[in-house]
Amino acid sequence: GAGVSQSPSNKVTEKGKDVELRCDPISGHTALYWYRQRLGQGLEFLIYFQGNSAPDKSGLPSDRFSAERTGESVSTLTIQRTQQEDSAVYLCASSSSFLGNTEAFFGQGTRLTVV
Amino acid sequence: SQKIEQNSEALNIQEGKTATLTCNYTNYSPAYLQWYRQDPGRGPVFLLLIRENEKEKRKERLKVTFDTTLKQSLFHITASQPADSATYLCAPWMDSSYKLIFGSGTRLLVRP
Repeated sequence: GAGVSQSPSNKVTEKGKDVELRCDPISGHTALYWYRQRLGQGLEFLIYFQGNSAPDKSGLPSDRFSAERTGESVSTLTIQRTQQEDSAVYLCASSSSFLGNTEAFFGQGTRLTVV
Repeated sequence: SQKIEQNSEALNIQEGKTATLTCNYTNYSPAYLQWYRQDPGRGPVFLLLIRENEKEKRKERLKVTFDTTLKQSLFHITASQPADSATYLCAPWMDSSYKLIFGSGTRLLVRP
């Protein structure tokens, strides 16, 4: 596909379980971002990948959150021992450059509900 | 600490009027500033980008200004339409951090 693809689109999980969210960026895009958006709130930065450089993990809220990206391809965001406060929409975006003069393309998001 | 502020109250205007949304930032010197639109249940969509050495940028009915002295960007939609109703997000980008951080957004409602 031509756009950023995220899966699953919806995920309901029990408190304490681990979940893995997937993001397929646009082919050739070197920069990849993960954001969290709670209901009615803005986008909260989580992590940023730029090519083969070390990721910027400064936005990860706790050590239960981790993310990986292999080269310039798929990224996975893993949340361990999920809590109800983790319920949110998780958005992924990719960009052709790490510079701010290029637009970011967003996926539709994964809506995570922890019950 | 760095902060991005957008009006959290919804902006409610009549169709045909000009909508003006504000983005203020502190402890930032962004090289670029981007504006996005977000509809309910969807990811944000890029609208416009303005550089620090540009005062104004236009695209169809949209206009963005960038005042690096006031540390403020204004986003205008002229001849607004109900279809313009959405949340609008600003994202100043600073080259020292190499990441895109968003304001919390302002919801615009255009009444027919």
